Amino acid sequence: SQKIEQNSEALNIQEGKTATLTCNYTNYSPAYLQWYRQDPGRGPVFLLLIRENEKEKRKERLKVTFDTTLKQSLFHITASQPADSATYLCALPLTGGGNKLTFGTGTQLKVEL
Amino acid sequence: DTAVSQTPKYLVTQMGNDKSIKCEQNLGHDTMYWYKQDSKKFLKIMFSYNNKELIINETVPNRFSPKSPDKAHLNLHINSLELGDSAVYFCASRFRGLDEQFFGPGTRLTVL
Repeated sequence: SQKIEQNSEALNIQEGKTATLTCNYTNYSPAYLQWYRQDPGRGPVFLLLIRENEKEKRKERLKVTFDTTLKQSLFHITASQPADSATYLCALPLTGGGNKLTFGTGTQLKVEL
Repeated sequence: DTAVSQTPKYLVTQMGNDKSIKCEQNLGHDTMYWYKQDSKKFLKIMFSYNNKELIINETVPNRFSPKSPDKAHLNLHINSLELGDSAVYFCASRFRGLDEQFFGPGTRLTVL
């Protein structure tokens, strides 16, 4: 069955450094992959989408890579700030249509001063 | 001017009761979803609803039933609530042709 894995341990980094989060998947060849941010007590917020024919995508301080051979996506936040502290979820579309998403369990990022 | 709204934000009820959660989106989207986020923060799709076509995740008990009075609303009705139904329920919507989903603020359901 389709499986998504994100590092369940929290990631603590210093302000100004680059945070790198990993999303691995198995038994799956998704057409795209999405990254969302979730703050405590709130719903996920869409950040970036990368398609299977794209190697890399950028948006301001965010960068996503997609390696369909390794079945892995990396999510980078450069020049991190305390305001970037949140849980980051990767999501892939389930087979069967309807754009239903299956989510990883998320990685909690904490950016310290 | 909230894009996707849910009511109530918190819902505390006894086992065996029937309850509903309401969702409204003012984005003009034509597809809506319900997700369940359990205590381990795992977010799982329950239903998707598009132009009156309902696609149900087969793991959802039939005690859960979505109801859509119009394209802007997708309510979730739950019968005979059980302890294991305690979770945060998120509504989401999407515009056909785009893949990003917009989530509501969530409803925290606690079954005692």
